[in-house]
Amino acid sequence: KQEVTQIPAALSVPEGENLVLNCSFTDSAIYNLQWFRQDPGKGLTSLLLIQSSQREQTSGRLNASLDKSSGRSTLYIAASQPGDSATYLCAGMDSNYQLIWGAGTKLIIKP
Amino acid sequence: DGGITQSPKYLFRKEGQNVTLSCEQNLNHDAMYWYRQDPGQGLRLIYYSQIVNDFQKGDIAEGYSVSREKKESFPLTVTSAQKNPTAFYLCASSSQGRSASYNSPLHFGNGTRLTVT
Repeated sequence: KQEVTQIPAALSVPEGENLVLNCSFTDSAIYNLQWFRQDPGKGLTSLLLIQSSQREQTSGRLNASLDKSSGRSTLYIAASQPGDSATYLCAGMDSNYQLIWGAGTKLIIKP
Repeated sequence: DGGITQSPKYLFRKEGQNVTLSCEQNLNHDAMYWYRQDPGQGLRLIYYSQIVNDFQKGDIAEGYSVSREKKESFPLTVTSAQKNPTAFYLCASSSQGRSASYNSPLHFGNGTRLTVT
């Protein structure tokens, strides 16, 4: 059964730093890996979706990578800003087309 | 603007009462989903619907019920049989059903926080 893990649960970095958020999954048979952002008390916003045949996707200062052989995906945020503070969640779509979710990493960018 | 509207934002109920959470979308999406979010856990799927008048159970459907009479609407009822109903409930939609186009991104509403005492 697919399991998705995000470590650490929380991360605090100074403004301007580049940072990497991690997402691990146990079963390499995934259709895609998705990254979302959640602001406090709000719903989720889709950031990037990497299909199983792709290695990475980019959107502005965000870059997500996927390595199925090692069971890892990373979300790279360049030149972090206080507005990037949020919880970031990853989800892998398993062979039953079901999204399996990580618990998220709460990111705080200090001005 | 197109989007998903969940109402109310906060809901308080006494134990033993049924309560219905509203979810409306104007994105013309076929598929709609209900998730439950608890602190420190990943989202868990309650029910999903890929087409009007059809829906399937997710991982934690016990104590919940849904209907899909219109494409735009997918209300969730939390019944008195749900043992631990206090949680943050999220509704989502995608343009096509899960297997038809599994690379369609999910769009989420802003959630309903339900507290049962």
